[in-house]
Amino acid sequence: SQTIHQWPATLVQPVGSPLSLECTVEGTSNPNLYWYRQAAGRGLQLLFYSVGIGQISSEVPQNLSASRPQDRQFILSSKKLLLSDSGFYLCAWSRGTVKNIQYFGAGTRLSVL
Amino acid sequence: QKEVEQNSGPLSVPEGAIASLNCTYSDRGSQSFFWYRQYSGKSPELIMSIYSNGDKEDGRFTAQLNKASQYVSLLIRDSQPSDSATYLCAVNQGEYGNKLVFGAGTILRVKS
Repeated sequence: SQTIHQWPATLVQPVGSPLSLECTVEGTSNPNLYWYRQAAGRGLQLLFYSVGIGQISSEVPQNLSASRPQDRQFILSSKKLLLSDSGFYLCAWSRGTVKNIQYFGAGTRLSVL
Repeated sequence: QKEVEQNSGPLSVPEGAIASLNCTYSDRGSQSFFWYRQYSGKSPELIMSIYSNGDKEDGRFTAQLNKASQYVSLLIRDSQPSDSATYLCAVNQGEYGNKLVFGAGTILRVKS
């Protein structure tokens, strides 16, 4: 069976510090990978998605970047965090078929202070 | 970006009643439709997927799709307090259909 791991679960960072969130998927190959952010009481906003190694599509211009160094690894980064980067970050994967069922990791709650 | 709209709620129903959640979408090209349940502080989990017009039943849950009206709904029969959560509607978009656009969610409260 497939599993998705995301860490850390919670993170408190000062403004201006760097960020690195990691997501890995087990039990499947060549998945589509996604990063979402959810602000408090809001829906999910797609930040980045990837259909293969080194292939990153950015949905929202912002202070963040993503990389996919390996088939089942997806990393979300920032060089300098802003207060507005606070939120619940979710990684998801899908098989890349048209049905596109996405499965989510447990999420990282980021507080920028 | 095309939109997905849901009533934010909260929708309050008594235990044992039917809860009806609704969603409209704007992209006529969408082919895949999903309902996710999200408990407070947790990540979304898939409840139902539906791809063709009509009803799809799974246990206490029934998803309904009407592509002509661009409308998706979720019925929860015999609602339980454990069903209290936020329900997110999601619709696929993009050139290859590999992106999901989510509604803001409807908060459901089931009163015992």
